[in-house]
Amino acid sequence: DTGVSQNPRHKITKRGQNVTFRCDPISEHNRLYWYRQTLGQGPEFLTYFQNEAQLEKSRLLSDRFSAERPKGSFSTLEIQRTEQGDSAMYLCASSLARGGNGITGELFFGEGSRLTVL
Amino acid sequence: SQKIEQNSEALNIQEGKTATLTCNYTNYSPAYLQWYRQDPGRGPVFLLLIRENEKEKRKERLKVTFDTTLKQSLFHITASQPADSATYLCALLMNTGFQKLVFGTGTRLLVSP
Repeated sequence: DTGVSQNPRHKITKRGQNVTFRCDPISEHNRLYWYRQTLGQGPEFLTYFQNEAQLEKSRLLSDRFSAERPKGSFSTLEIQRTEQGDSAMYLCASSLARGGNGITGELFFGEGSRLTVL
Repeated sequence: SQKIEQNSEALNIQEGKTATLTCNYTNYSPAYLQWYRQDPGRGPVFLLLIRENEKEKRKERLKVTFDTTLKQSLFHITASQPADSATYLCALLMNTGFQKLVFGTGTRLLVSP
């Protein structure tokens, strides 16, 4: 399977614990995005990477959230000291952008990592 | 403030009819607009992309229009089938240096046999 892979698919944790999600994008894609989605809402942008550089972070991303993409391949999203409001589906997507700020095409999404904070 | 609005109420239609979903936006100047399909518990799947200088795009039973004056896109599914039942999301790419897609809330489509 050459699609976007996310792990774990489901995570249940107690408030105050740290959690980490991993995303493996499509191998030739240079852009990687993290979105968060709650029930009945569309995906909300959190952050994105071009290769290993994190180019933009949403104001939604508090200092408890950190994302990395070492070596421009897989990415991790860590949430420290989880709160019940962090319960959501965390979606990763990748795309191939050509030529600097050239317009990117479609995003390929993974199946998401659902977080439940008790 | 910037907004992308999709009808939050589910759209119920009979099999064989044409479904029309609306995406309205304010305070945006999108370079292009995309439509995605999302099934429950799954990630969104890309359907169509239409650029700001295009009026209409078609793909099989799907048609998208883009009116930058009205700030509106319409998404049509002709000869709808129960398998078309899903949530449909519109997403706009901002025409700035940073390339990110901003999604609407989605409209749920239910096609009855």
